[in-house]
Amino acid sequence: AQSVAQPEDQVNVAEGNPLTVKCTYSVSGNPYLFWYVQYPNRGLQFLLKYITGDNLVKGSYGFEAEFNKSQTSFHLKKPSALVSDSALYFCAVRDRRLSGGYNKLIFGAGTRLAVHP
Amino acid sequence: GAGVSQSPSNKVTEKGKDVELRCDPISGHTALYWYRQSLGQGLEFLIYFQGNSAPDKSGLPSDRFSAERTGGSVSTLTIQRTQQEDSAVYLCASSHNDRVGTEAFFGQGTRLTVV
Repeated sequence: AQSVAQPEDQVNVAEGNPLTVKCTYSVSGNPYLFWYVQYPNRGLQFLLKYITGDNLVKGSYGFEAEFNKSQTSFHLKKPSALVSDSALYFCAVRDRRLSGGYNKLIFGAGTRLAVHP
Repeated sequence: GAGVSQSPSNKVTEKGKDVELRCDPISGHTALYWYRQSLGQGLEFLIYFQGNSAPDKSGLPSDRFSAERTGGSVSTLTIQRTQQEDSAVYLCASSHNDRVGTEAFFGQGTRLTVV
């Protein structure tokens, strides 16, 4: 069965410092991995995705994520955090069934990022 | 439309009443998802459509919840005999099902309050 884990409920970072939001996954097939961000009172916005190829994926707002197959991880990173990055971040995974077709898109529980001035 | 549209944006209902939530996906998107998000919490998967069929409805909390999709487009989530614990934001998303790894696009959600 598919699953996604975000082990940290909250991450606190000082502005200007690098940030990492962790995500690990479990799938039976090849994973397609996604990061979404949710600002207060807003819908979910797509940040970036890993499909295949280069393990380092670059996305919106200066974010990037590194796919690590051996560790089944897809951590979100940013070299220099901004106060405006403070939001709720969700990791998601979807895999292709061995028999063909796709399984559902499932999300982690979310990590609240707080960037302090 | 250009994005996923959900209606109503807000719904207040009395306990025991039935409610219908509507989702208009992006045109041409064959996959459609319903999720529920309680205040400040994560996304709880409810149901997933491919076209008009639902290969996975494992997330529906009880038989009071049902959903349908017609014409491979609009979907309706129905909650019968609403309870206070049903209060949440109900999110709909759609994606191309036949394109590898395409991301899902979310609507703004319907905030349901059961009083």
